[in-house]
Amino acid sequence: SQQGEEDPQALSIQEGENATMNCSYKTSINNLQWYRQNSGRGLVHLILIRSNEREKHSGRLRVTLDTSKKSSSLLITASRAADTASYFCATDAGDGNNRLAFGKGNQVVVIP
Amino acid sequence: GAVVSQHPSWVICKSGTSVKIECRSLDFQATTMFWYRQFPKQSLMLMATSNEGSKATYEQGVEKDKFLINHASLTLSTLTVTSAHPEDSSFYICSASLSGTGRETQYFGPGTRLLVL
Repeated sequence: SQQGEEDPQALSIQEGENATMNCSYKTSINNLQWYRQNSGRGLVHLILIRSNEREKHSGRLRVTLDTSKKSSSLLITASRAADTASYFCATDAGDGNNRLAFGKGNQVVVIP
Repeated sequence: GAVVSQHPSWVICKSGTSVKIECRSLDFQATTMFWYRQFPKQSLMLMATSNEGSKATYEQGVEKDKFLINHASLTLSTLTVTSAHPEDSSFYICSASLSGTGRETQYFGPGTRLLVL
């Protein structure tokens, strides 16, 4: 299965700043999703963007998708200490099974 | 809504024993459940897709005889790690998707940490 791949960066930012992370993938997709994982816990779904969408917003989250470059970005505005977590992108190839291929993840630390 | 639970949350066992992990969708019916494994500081790796009433579909490289999956009802899937060995120590996470509209989103359980001594 294909693999979403984030830029291998660990972000450390001050509370109130914006955090941006990127994801690239290799094959065609039906949709791309972003998930958050707090340390040692399960994943929480953040946002889903379909292949025919270019940008999507949800609260303080902004996701872009560039299918020509096979990349996506997640922006968290006005970060809070509670945003400290690992963020994963996951791609759905659209083969009807809804299987997700997860990227490596970005560790984000928001300093109060 | 869309809450998924796992039991147990952590388990320590001796090498050679079998361990069963339960995944339940608490407030919805899940036609499909997924099992993942996550090693420390790594991403989630899909192990298998479990459909209610049918055999699970395993990803390449995952031994179906070692990781037994049963999805007997629309709210319960179980993963049994048979004859566990230290290299099976990992964080096992299940997820469930809704039927019909909204099935693209997966709802994850809190995970089960397995330590094999």
